[in-house]
Amino acid sequence: NAGVTQTPKFRVLKTGQSMTLLCAQDMNHEYMYWYRQDPGMGLRLIHYSVGEGTTAKGKVPDGYNVSRLKKQNFLLGLESAAPSQTSVYFCASSHNEGVGTEAFFGQGTRLTVV
Amino acid sequence: GQQLNQSPQSMFIQEGEDVSMNCTSSSIFNTWLWYKQDPGEGPVLLIALYKAGELTSNGRLTAQFGITRKDSFLNISASIPSDVGIYFCAGPSSNTGNQFYFGTGTSLTVIP
Repeated sequence: NAGVTQTPKFRVLKTGQSMTLLCAQDMNHEYMYWYRQDPGMGLRLIHYSVGEGTTAKGKVPDGYNVSRLKKQNFLLGLESAAPSQTSVYFCASSHNEGVGTEAFFGQGTRLTVV
Repeated sequence: GQQLNQSPQSMFIQEGEDVSMNCTSSSIFNTWLWYKQDPGEGPVLLIALYKAGELTSNGRLTAQFGITRKDSFLNISASIPSDVGIYFCAGPSSNTGNQFYFGTGTSLTVIP
């Protein structure tokens, strides 16, 4: 029962570096999400996907790109990291609608940009 | 956009006390979810509510889906130290492709 798995768990980047965060889910969920969590601000949606090959912007998409080439994977990319992107990133997945729309979360990736 | 207002922002209580927190929305939700986040972990689902007026329990936790569909309440009875964490309300908005909206969280500290 892996659920939602995020890699890496921790990362330190220098300003301007790029990286990709990987999210994998084994529950055959249609929807996948990337959130960032900052102190006092709760979870803010960066991008989401309603199915393989589709992506959409959330509330705070600037500076991030995503891809959903396979249904089970959702990648979050930072092309040129900035200190403002220091945060904890969470991936989540859910069924598309109806009973079972609750989202399941990964363990998080703690990213520090120096 | 959608906004979920959660209160209180933080709570400090004695072990054994009951806890109550609530969440209000600027629009109607058809599902209300309550999550708990332990330090250094991802949020974990506690209770899911699917019908207006529904009252659901999970051990010492009880949650209610408000009649107006714009609010929900979570109660914890007889708190224990492991109840410490951040509690989030959340819901998928059918108006925006089932994006999940989260409240800003209630931080609970239980003093032994």
